[in-house]
Amino acid sequence: NAGVTQTPKFRILKIGQSMTLQCTQDMNHNYMYWYRQDPGMGLKLIYYSVGAGITDKGEVPNGYNVSRSTTEDFPLRLELAAPSQTSVYFCASSYPSSGNTIYFGEGSWLTVV
Amino acid sequence: DAKTTQPTSMDCAEGRAANLPCNHSTISGNEYVYWYRQIHSQGPQYIIHGLKNNETNEMASLIITEDRKSSTLILPHATLRDTAVYYCIVRTKTGNQFYFGTGTSLTVIP
Repeated sequence: NAGVTQTPKFRILKIGQSMTLQCTQDMNHNYMYWYRQDPGMGLKLIYYSVGAGITDKGEVPNGYNVSRSTTEDFPLRLELAAPSQTSVYFCASSYPSSGNTIYFGEGSWLTVV
Repeated sequence: DAKTTQPTSMDCAEGRAANLPCNHSTISGNEYVYWYRQIHSQGPQYIIHGLKNNETNEMASLIITEDRKSSTLILPHATLRDTAVYYCIVRTKTGNQFYFGTGTSLTVIP
């Protein structure tokens, strides 16, 4: 009963480094999302995908890239990490015909120093 | 998707009902009201959703006004574990974007 799985859970990056946050879901959901949440703030949508091969920008896409080669996986790539990208990142998925309830992963804590 | 307005914070005594309001005056006819909560940096958790009629499940009740411009989430007997940030979201059932806003921080007081 995995649901949405994110890795890594914690990571420290140096300024200018790159990394990929992995996200996989086993519920056969069409829609997948990446959010970031800064301390004391709400969630901001970074990118979303409505199916394999289709991605689109959310509210705060700058500095990130995504791909969706399979239904299950939706990795988030950070290029040239900056301190402003220090945040908690949440991956999520949903399926329209099941009421579009969105299911979240446990989060990935990223610090850029 | 319609915007929502929620109070920044609220307190509730343990065992009492917690009533969390949400305004969504620009909601469209095909948009649903969803409620989620986030407990201390965990991923948000689905609570309930509705279109027009009031809804109830094992977690909460959702009351939507007749004009659908506002709603109230009711936790009938709040416990300390209900301390969380509660988000009200409006969107279509097939909409592909969820915008969360800043929510209401509910503190349940012993």
